[in-house]
Amino acid sequence: EVQLVESGGGLVQPGGSLRLSCAASGFTVSSNYMSWVRQAPGKGLEWVSVIYSGGSTYYADSVKGRFTISRDNSKNTLYLQMNSLRAEDTAVYYCARVDSGSYSFDYWGQGTLVTVSS
Amino acid sequence: SYVLTQPPSVSVAPGQTARITCGGNNIGSKSVHWYQQKPGQAPVLVVYDDSDRPSGIPERFSGSNSGNTATLTISRVEAGDEADYYCQVWDSSSDHPGGVFGGGTKLTVL
Repeated sequence: EVQLVESGGGLVQPGGSLRLSCAASGFTVSSNYMSWVRQAPGKGLEWVSVIYSGGSTYYADSVKGRFTISRDNSKNTLYLQMNSLRAEDTAVYYCARVDSGSYSFDYWGQGTLVTVSS
Repeated sequence: SYVLTQPPSVSVAPGQTARITCGGNNIGSKSVHWYQQKPGQAPVLVVYDDSDRPSGIPERFSGSNSGNTATLTISRVEAGDEADYYCQVWDSSSDHPGGVFGGGTKLTVL
């Protein structure tokens, strides 16, 4: 059974940093495309970043230069390093597997809340 | 960047058919995916590649895509279908590809 479990969210001050983790089971992270998607309170879904199986990474303009997506193959875990956090980064962050054929998000974690506030 | 436009809300009576649209420039040339999100829960994929259903999704959920509009159709609507629905495409047209979501549509079952 495919399962994704995020962790690492919390309250952080503006300008601070946080690292989110997404532990996967039932499939191999390094063999799949993986993404982070976020949802600000009461708002819609916003794509954040993707890492391809080959290692290429891409980011939304809103986070480029501040966020870094990575993975640890030995732990079968996806990460999102978030630096220079702003109030507008406050959101529930979901990790999701990207189906490499359709580029749909076929499995999602339960999400972890990041609050950026002083 | 590519923009997807959805109506903020759609209302339908139980047993009727709900249609949720997703507009985009020549969206018919792209693969469109649809997600259902209930309050406090993660999104769930209900239609992919315009009209295919993942395992476990009822046949009442169907999709179409042509021209500048993709449509999610929910037949014989039930109270449990009340949720937010999002369309999504993958924008590979630039040198920095990525996912694009519509703004979401709140489906209310009257």
